[in-house]
Amino acid sequence: QSAPTQPASVSGSPGQSITISCTGTSSDVGGYNYVSWYQQHPGKAPKLMIYDVSNRPSGVSNRFSGSKAGNTASLTISGLQAEDEADYYCSSYTSSSTLVFGGGTKLTVL
Amino acid sequence: EVQLVESGGGLVQPGGSLRLSCVASGFTFSGCWMTWVRQAPGKGLEWVANIREDGSDKYYVDSVKGRFTISRDNAKNSVYLQMNSLRAEDTAVYYCTRAYSSWFARNFDYWGQGTLVTVSS
Repeated sequence: QSAPTQPASVSGSPGQSITISCTGTSSDVGGYNYVSWYQQHPGKAPKLMIYDVSNRPSGVSNRFSGSKAGNTASLTISGLQAEDEADYYCSSYTSSSTLVFGGGTKLTVL
Repeated sequence: EVQLVESGGGLVQPGGSLRLSCVASGFTFSGCWMTWVRQAPGKGLEWVANIREDGSDKYYVDSVKGRFTISRDNAKNSVYLQMNSLRAEDTAVYYCTRAYSSWFARNFDYWGQGTLVTVSS
């Protein structure tokens, strides 16, 4: 099972919006509405930001949103803030009854 | 307050074994899928294995099948990862996680602090 593809890095200025993509196949991202997104700051455990493509857990800012079209899921962060600088990972359930993470994207707030 | 506390990591030689433990508190452990996720130094996240609430179903990433075994003891609020035939590529921080969505543990809302496993001679 190959990992979904994420851009290695993205950047944006405070107040801007950025989008991180997560491209898989019809056997994972495209086949199920079970894509999640995690934020990880250096030295910390990941934090669940989006689940089941577009749902936010309680306590997560509404600046974070998720969507999916075909085999590509996306995480959009609006009103970028310095504290958003972190690594972001997507994950997806797969047809092999496993879970797979994307390779991760480093977000830099300029 | 939900807490997941891992232990059992350390330095082990290639081919050796290690057993990781995770003690949970602050929630109904027997009602949750549990999962181990690992992260090699400087690398991304990798899903390793998960286990159903009652331990009846277990799933593994291909790279650990036949070498790792996940188990749980609901009376002790604990989940375990028995790791045998360890390889250098198993070197990672291993996180114990709690499932947020009930089916298959497809996402995780609480993570432990992680325990480092180093496989080296």
